[in-house]
Amino acid sequence: RKEVEQDPGPFNVPEGATVAFNCTYSNSASQSFFWYRQDCRKEPKLLMSVYSSGNEDGRFTAQLNRASQYISLLIRDSKLSDSATYLCVINYGQNFVFGPGTRLSVLP
Amino acid sequence: EAGVTQFPSHSVIEKGQTVTLRCDPISGHDNLYWYRRVMGKEIKFLLHFVKESKQDESGMPNNRFLAERTGGTYSTLKVQPAELEDSGVYFCASSPQGNEKLFFGSGTQLSVL
Repeated sequence: RKEVEQDPGPFNVPEGATVAFNCTYSNSASQSFFWYRQDCRKEPKLLMSVYSSGNEDGRFTAQLNRASQYISLLIRDSKLSDSATYLCVINYGQNFVFGPGTRLSVLP
Repeated sequence: EAGVTQFPSHSVIEKGQTVTLRCDPISGHDNLYWYRRVMGKEIKFLLHFVKESKQDESGMPNNRFLAERTGGTYSTLKVQPAELEDSGVYFCASSPQGNEKLFFGSGTQLSVL
């Protein structure tokens, strides 16, 4: 079983839709959790950290469920500019492990 | 403030040749990481420097890969001799001590023919 798993998609959604991605991880010793965004042929960029109590940043909401070992990302009111690959990243101490990413296409 | 810079952005070499990739982290960042993304696969950890010391090199594929960070500033990753399966995008990332946020460079696209 891979350390970090994500549905690769693609998720094709119309503008204005709400879309949710899940990510599961296998190592219960995982310490911190992140969502990164990667545009085509670009480097990953931090979208948001994921906190135990859940957190929101504008149209983006992240949740963590330690008992079930998954994190989620909810995007509301999707924009064309949200089209990208969303990477789930888990930190074990000082080592970051990346999921394979979920591709999102927001269609006009 | 300058971000993480990587050089070259692209490299095309033949099997058996040597290539050296360079990464300049953000000034003052103690942590420097090398990652690789092979086509169709997830981003994989290669190694982690804290200043000039190798903290973790468990992700290095084999002894054809050599990474250095002399003086704790920039880092180089040398592949010698290169094989076809080494093709991919090599990303460098840095972070300050105690900070979990990774700042990535734009990567080096390596193609081994």
